[in-house]
Amino acid sequence: AQKITQTQPGMFVQEKEAVTLDCTYDTSDQSYGLFWYKQPSSGEMIFLIYQGSYDEQNATEGRYSLNFQKARKSANLVISASQLGDSAMYFCAMRASRGANNLFFGTGTRLTVIP
Amino acid sequence: SQTIHQWPATLVQPVGSPLSLECTVEGTSNPNLYWYRQAAGRGLQLLFYSVGIGQISSEVPQNLSASRPQDRQFILSSKKLLLSDSGFYLCAWSPSGGVLETQYFGPGTRLLVL
Repeated sequence: AQKITQTQPGMFVQEKEAVTLDCTYDTSDQSYGLFWYKQPSSGEMIFLIYQGSYDEQNATEGRYSLNFQKARKSANLVISASQLGDSAMYFCAMRASRGANNLFFGTGTRLTVIP
Repeated sequence: SQTIHQWPATLVQPVGSPLSLECTVEGTSNPNLYWYRQAAGRGLQLLFYSVGIGQISSEVPQNLSASRPQDRQFILSSKKLLLSDSGFYLCAWSPSGGVLETQYFGPGTRLLVL
């Protein structure tokens, strides 16, 4: 079975600083994908970044980067130069090759950017 | 580019009433389609997914059902709503073919059952 764990219910960061949101996962599959989504107060789930299990380099997408440590089964999201608009819930999710139609979500981290 | 629409945005329904939520995708063909539910303060739970017209797989037994009458249309229904059906319902799509394709979500429908 697949499992995603996000241990930080809430995080605060000063505007323009960087912040790391933690995510660990558990799967017995060798082929899987890791995703981060942002959910602002409007509710829409916005896709941010993807990391494949066979990708050797950490994924980056603008101010977002994914710190992928396969041996530790962690996929932390790093947001650089935080902006007030980054305040939202952030969810880590995983799809494995078995049961691939299911996207398993963590419980989320609420990020608040302080001016 | 692809866009995904959901309506209504908000719905308040009495217990025992029927439900119909609609999701449509534009700008792609033969997408995989999904219905998720998010309870307050929690992550998402997959309810149904579809890989083609008329093909529906259920992940969680409940009083909800789903249908896909057209390639880019996905409908979530119930004959009699329960209080526990309250929540935030999100539709998503992903390209067909790859098993690890990204899922893209619609704006969601907030359902309150009273």
